[in-house]
Amino acid sequence: NAGVTQTPKFQVLKTGQSMTLQCAQDMNHNSMYWYRQDPGMGLRLIYYSASEGTTDKGEVPNGYNVSRLNKREFSLRLESAAPSQTSVYFCASSYRGTSGQTYEQYFGPGTRLTVT
Amino acid sequence: AQTVTQSQPEMSVQEAETVTLSCTYDTSESDYYLFWYKQPPSRQMILVIRQEAYKQQNATENRFSVNFQKAAKSFSLKISDSQLGDAAMYFCAYRRFQGAQKLVFGQGTRLTINP
Repeated sequence: NAGVTQTPKFQVLKTGQSMTLQCAQDMNHNSMYWYRQDPGMGLRLIYYSASEGTTDKGEVPNGYNVSRLNKREFSLRLESAAPSQTSVYFCASSYRGTSGQTYEQYFGPGTRLTVT
Repeated sequence: AQTVTQSQPEMSVQEAETVTLSCTYDTSESDYYLFWYKQPPSRQMILVIRQEAYKQQNATENRFSVNFQKAAKSFSLKISDSQLGDAAMYFCAYRRFQGAQKLVFGQGTRLTINP
């Protein structure tokens, strides 16, 4: 049981390049999330997916797109990277019950992205 | 919108002593969850403790306990018998009881343990 996995662990991009961050979970969770963490700050939500087939914007969605590929996988795409997107990106997942009750979020190890 | 504030950017404590990290939050909702997460240098986010707002009893997990003051919107974390492995960034976080599931984080407190 690997929990939440993220690839890659590190990435350096030039301004204007694109890339996709991958996230997968093996806990049969139905909700998944992408956060970013800037130096000296807490995590901020970029996008989330409450269940397979749905996605919603979080606090800081501009410059990003997401795809909930299936129940296990949730990817984050930067179409045209900018230096302001230099950050550490965390994926997380949680179980959401039929009554709407949600449980703890489990986090992946993070991806450190630098845009020059 | 909900906000979470941690007013102590850094704290330090002697090994084996007790330290308290502060957190305040703002919400108009009556039901919600509050969390403390630990982030060691490895960057992994580790859940330390959870408190449901509808529970009056303060949550406890071994050496970690909280002081939840709902009326004051205060949620502090007490670490007893501090150990070197407790050194990390600590984040307070808020989540609605139902509906939107996002966690709202504070800015974090860096805890140093002095041997």
